[in-house]
Amino acid sequence: DSGVTQTPKHLITATGQRVTLRCSPRSGDLSVYWYQQSLDQGLQFLIQYYNGEERAKGNILERFSAQQFPDLHSELNLSSLELGDSALYFCASSVVGTGGPNTGELFFGEGSRLTVL
Amino acid sequence: TQLLEQSPQFLSIQEGENLTVYCNSSSVFSSLQWYRQEPGEGPVLLVTVVTGGEVKKLKRLTFQFGDARKDSSLHITAAQPGDTGLYLCAGEITGNQFYFGTGTSLTVIP
Repeated sequence: DSGVTQTPKHLITATGQRVTLRCSPRSGDLSVYWYQQSLDQGLQFLIQYYNGEERAKGNILERFSAQQFPDLHSELNLSSLELGDSALYFCASSVVGTGGPNTGELFFGEGSRLTVL
Repeated sequence: TQLLEQSPQFLSIQEGENLTVYCNSSSVFSSLQWYRQEPGEGPVLLVTVVTGGEVKKLKRLTFQFGDARKDSSLHITAAQPGDTGLYLCAGEITGNQFYFGTGTSLTVIP
């Protein structure tokens, strides 16, 4: 158990719909990352938040958005869904910037599997 | 496009054989990590290498960071069925951003 919780584990929806994926980071971790994993694209970095603020953006589509709340949980919103959005979406958390021995290690949740029909 | 390319993409070997997985990029990383992912689970960290030329050993696994901090390799000695999984390298860009490689799916046949 990594300590990172993601819900829902599975989600089936139709094209054009909107879904929200939720992530609770490990206790004490200020940084949250979102990744998309599909068979042909590997693990793609979407976005990173640190202590409530957006820190870095990767290959995130304009139809996708995310936020990190004051209690540090994060949500990834996916809208106008397309068949190609079907993938595993992972959240990871990390202690960032402290210079300590575990700085930079990412702890992943079990993922949310999204199927768009 | 992926910042990090791994090779081979798929590897199927017999128990007891040795293997090497490569992770290459044209970018320089402040650190490089290797993760292993099993079906239905998220990736789990195996090792972090920070210094160019650094070599780390974890039982039968040997990790090396290239001198220029652009590439890395993972060598497994006497592979066992328990080593089966997806191996991912991840390069850290300044600011704690992590970009993952394309992955190597390893199957060790008993």
